[in-house]
Amino acid sequence: AQSVTQPDIHITVSEGASLELRCNYSYGATPYLFWYVQSPGQGLQLLLKYFSGDTLVQGIKGFEAEFKRSQSSFNLRKPSVHWSDAAEYFCAVGGYNFNKIYFGSGTKLNVKP
Amino acid sequence: DADVTQTPRNRITKTGKRIMLECSQTKGHDRMYWYRQDPGLGLRLIYYSFDVKDINKGEISDGYSVSRQAQAKFSLSLESAIPNQTALYFCATSDSVERTDTQYFGPGTRLTVL
Repeated sequence: AQSVTQPDIHITVSEGASLELRCNYSYGATPYLFWYVQSPGQGLQLLLKYFSGDTLVQGIKGFEAEFKRSQSSFNLRKPSVHWSDAAEYFCAVGGYNFNKIYFGSGTKLNVKP
Repeated sequence: DADVTQTPRNRITKTGKRIMLECSQTKGHDRMYWYRQDPGLGLRLIYYSFDVKDINKGEISDGYSVSRQAQAKFSLSLESAIPNQTALYFCATSDSVERTDTQYFGPGTRLTVL
């Protein structure tokens, strides 16, 4: 069965520090992988996605993610966090002709001044 | 203007009442989805529709029904609301032509059932 695990429920980082949010997936074939961000009171905005090619994917707002097939992971990174990055982040997995995507339970990011 | 809109944005209702949440999109996408979000559970799929005549149950469809009135409109109904349906509800759309079927979300409807 397809599933996504985000092992960190809450993460707190200082402004200017680097960030890595973890995502592990379970899927039997080549996955399509997504990261979404949800700011307080807002809907979900797509940050980036991977479906083929270069395993390092660049997204909006300075985020990037790396697909590692051997580890079934798709971790999200940012070299320097800004206070406006405080939000909840969701990883999701789908696949070719998959018709649906499955979401992880989310990671809430707090940013300390 | 937003590509995916949801009405109402907030709703408080009482147990046993019938509620309809509406979703409209101007993206021209053929696929539409309804999710609910609960703290710590992420997003769970309620119903999805691949075109006007194709509606499918998701993982948590009990207590909900949907109507796809047109390609651009997809409504979610709670026939008799109960308190554990208190949640944040999201509509999403995707385009079957796009290989990855990326989903685009509306702003959400916060529903409280007393």
